[in-house]
Amino acid sequence: KAGVTQTPRYLIKTRGQQVTLSCSPISGHRSVSWYQQTPGQGLQFLFEYFSETQRNKGNFPGRFSGRQFSNSRSEMNVSTLELGDSALYLCASTPGTSGAYNEQFFGPGTRLTVL
Amino acid sequence: GENVEQHPSTLSVQEGDSAVIKCTYSDSASNYFPWYKQELGKRPQLIIDIRSNVGEKKDQRIAVTLNKTAKHFSLHITETQPEDSAVYFCAADVDYKLSFGAGTTVTVRA
Repeated sequence: KAGVTQTPRYLIKTRGQQVTLSCSPISGHRSVSWYQQTPGQGLQFLFEYFSETQRNKGNFPGRFSGRQFSNSRSEMNVSTLELGDSALYLCASTPGTSGAYNEQFFGPGTRLTVL
Repeated sequence: GENVEQHPSTLSVQEGDSAVIKCTYSDSASNYFPWYKQELGKRPQLIIDIRSNVGEKKDQRIAVTLNKTAKHFSLHITETQPEDSAVYFCAADVDYKLSFGAGTTVTVRA
């Protein structure tokens, strides 16, 4: 099976702009989670989607949003970019069909730089 | 919400020695505790996980222990090798939200 893919891999934006990142999960996986990774904060949970429904979200401002499509692909959007949004954005997929959590498979990430 | 603390933040060990990383969590509802390894420039990968109904789990040179009463779990790596050098993250789940520790940078000295 193909692994989790993310596009684009690198992105440079300026403050105030908005950005959309895309994640394609492993075939058959219905749960997609998003994380922000920075050197100082580690991996911070953004949100999780399952069957197009957001089941949980982290402590990020409303500028961060996401969605999931019927084919399980997911996008996240960041509006009004700030310098502090510069980070590696990782998505991860898991089958998500059981109540208990299972192994999350991470994508390679999108490196966002805000100038 | 869940808060996961991880110690130490850096760990340097001689090749062949053991490494131990400890994590504590705050939410007693957490029932799944994975450990991820992230090599430089690569994506995190699961190395071992444990569920709340198990106290210990081993996989070759890696073991994880869980104490639900004390709300802490630990990763043990025995007979460390240079390829064990990486950043290790512990995590705990509640309601489809995986909360990660800040990470431990492990360096194995030859």
